[in-house]
Amino acid sequence: DTAVSQTPKYLVTQMGNDKSIKCEQNLGHDTMYWYKQDSKKFLKIMFSYNNKELIINETVPNRFSPKSPDKAHLNLHINSLELGDSAVYFCASSQEGETAPHEQYFGPGTRLTVT
Amino acid sequence: DQQVKQNSPSLSVQEGRISILNCDYTNSMFDYFLWYKKYPAEGPTFLISISSIKDKNEDGRFTVFLNKSAKHLSLHIVPSQPGDSAVYFCAAGPSGGYNKLIFGAGTRLAVHP
Repeated sequence: DTAVSQTPKYLVTQMGNDKSIKCEQNLGHDTMYWYKQDSKKFLKIMFSYNNKELIINETVPNRFSPKSPDKAHLNLHINSLELGDSAVYFCASSQEGETAPHEQYFGPGTRLTVT
Repeated sequence: DQQVKQNSPSLSVQEGRISILNCDYTNSMFDYFLWYKKYPAEGPTFLISISSIKDKNEDGRFTVFLNKSAKHLSLHIVPSQPGDSAVYFCAAGPSGGYNKLIFGAGTRLAVHP
């Protein structure tokens, strides 16, 4: 009964390929996020969806395209992978309007390695 | 442009003593602050939070202190236990609107017997 799950946990691929990472949450939250943790260990937000609508879109190359088929899922598709895309990608979810509005629940991460 | 800074990349503390992790921020619009704990190969887990209307929030062994004038917050863990060994991230964001959190780089805490 994992709260926020991501697949795959590890992804090794070659430059130029297209890959997807999937995220699902069973917490009933209405907001989901994608974060990137780079080699310097900073967690940086990439995208956020609220009720399937894109609400945060940071300066991210347009090779990255999030898709939210429903409130419980937020997938990340990456085209034409580059070496610099190697990182750990975390999915998270939260519920707007709760008493702790910024409490986000994170998935276990997907370690992407581009060779 | 690091809006949230954790200047100590690591901290080593003896079991039973107090651990103090520090965090500084620059954005005056931040009014909600959180600490997350992260074990290797896992996602960050929420630990404790504080809003800018308070200067202290306590939850068991964990206490967060906020000094708004200094734009500084700290996490106190007492007594420290070996299971507390992890990376601790400070995060901040504005209230209202959507939850865009800015994270610090983390501090690796090692609690040794």
